[in-house]
Amino acid sequence: GQNIDQPTEMTATEGAIVQINCTYQTSGFNGLFWYQQHAGEAPTFLSYNVLDGLEEKGRFSSFLSRSKGYSYLLLKELQMKDSASYLCAGVFYSGNTPLVFGKGTRLSVIA
Amino acid sequence: DADVTQTPRNRITKTGKRIMLECSQTKGHDRMYWYRQDPGLGLRLIYYSFDVKDINKGEISDGYSVSRQAQAKFSLSLESAIPNQTALYFCATSDRGNEQFFGPGTRLTVL
Repeated sequence: GQNIDQPTEMTATEGAIVQINCTYQTSGFNGLFWYQQHAGEAPTFLSYNVLDGLEEKGRFSSFLSRSKGYSYLLLKELQMKDSASYLCAGVFYSGNTPLVFGKGTRLSVIA
Repeated sequence: DADVTQTPRNRITKTGKRIMLECSQTKGHDRMYWYRQDPGLGLRLIYYSFDVKDINKGEISDGYSVSRQAQAKFSLSLESAIPNQTALYFCATSDRGNEQFFGPGTRLTVL
């Protein structure tokens, strides 16, 4: 099956920039979602990349390289409220199968 | 009003009891999912349904069953609850575009 890999934990300083990486197997790949999840709450949508390149949305940007099986989420001007888990999820086989989620990266923003 | 609702939000029960978690959605989506989330293990898919007559096992279906009563309703049952089913359970919906919308979660504790 498809594997989605991302680091388990990261720590960054308030006001800084952090990049959260995600790698996946390219077979059958169609697109990639990023979700944010605060502790004990539901995941919420951040971005969806289908084409190669960087998509910017305020302080958050997401990048995709289809040939390399690689994506990253870039968070700028970090705020304490950005402390959360960030989930990477792949769409495979034209959406005829459920999303495949990574285990999530827990980001801690420190002062 | 929330688009995806789950009842109950919290439940404490004893080993051996039958438990039903319910999910309703007003988004008009055909696809519905049940996940459980444990610390460090990410979201794991229990069952999913792509339309009313369709039920599929996910990664960890043992000990669980589901019923898709209508397009808007998808319930998860634990026939005989055991302590290692203590977890946070999420229902989600999507259309064929695959972005998943999550309910607020049910925190289940089995003593």
